[in-house]
Amino acid sequence: AAGVIQSPRHLIKEKRETATLKCYPIPRHDTVYWYQQGPGQDPQFLISFYEKMQSDKGSIPDRFSAQQFSDYHSELNMSSLELGDSALYFCASSVTGEHNSPLHFGNGTRLTVT
Amino acid sequence: QKEVEQNSGPLSVPEGAIASLNCTYSDRGSQSFFWYRQYSGKSPELIMSIYSNGDKEDGRFTAQLNKASQYVSLLIRDSQPSDSATYLCAVKVASGTYKYIFGTGTRLKVLA
Repeated sequence: AAGVIQSPRHLIKEKRETATLKCYPIPRHDTVYWYQQGPGQDPQFLISFYEKMQSDKGSIPDRFSAQQFSDYHSELNMSSLELGDSALYFCASSVTGEHNSPLHFGNGTRLTVT
Repeated sequence: QKEVEQNSGPLSVPEGAIASLNCTYSDRGSQSFFWYRQYSGKSPELIMSIYSNGDKEDGRFTAQLNKASQYVSLLIRDSQPSDSATYLCAVKVASGTYKYIFGTGTRLKVLA
């Protein structure tokens, strides 16, 4: 079965650089979520999109932005990177209309800021 | 108070024993409850979901939900060393949009 696809798997950037993470949700899933997970922490919700519109916003820094495109893939753009941005970034998708629908996670992007 | 609380552990159990993982949540409007297993550096993997009060069994896993007590648990029977991981409790809440709130996870160690 198709899963959530994220790219790249690993990314190394320097402070103050920019990074773009991509996510392709499971086909027919209408909602995409982005999470940030630091070492030893639970996933922290950043932002979500439903049918290409931002549906909810969590603890996403102003330096980050995201969007969902017409083909439902989503991109997380991160600017002025800081050392503290080093983390695993997960994208997940679900079907909003089904209240029993779980989140399905991608394999994540490990971002290292040096 | 966090919206979803779990004991961070580590919870150590011998191989073959029952591991019991607990989770409490604060939002009475929570609709659906999920248990994810996460190995270090990997993405969370869904292992159980439960929506109604009572027990739900799937192989060695049993999820238990008590909405009155706002409590959900996961039992792992015949624990194996390969079950050693962090188990995340997630609660789906409808508040305008749907949100998934995660607990901090319980680290389980199954000792061979």
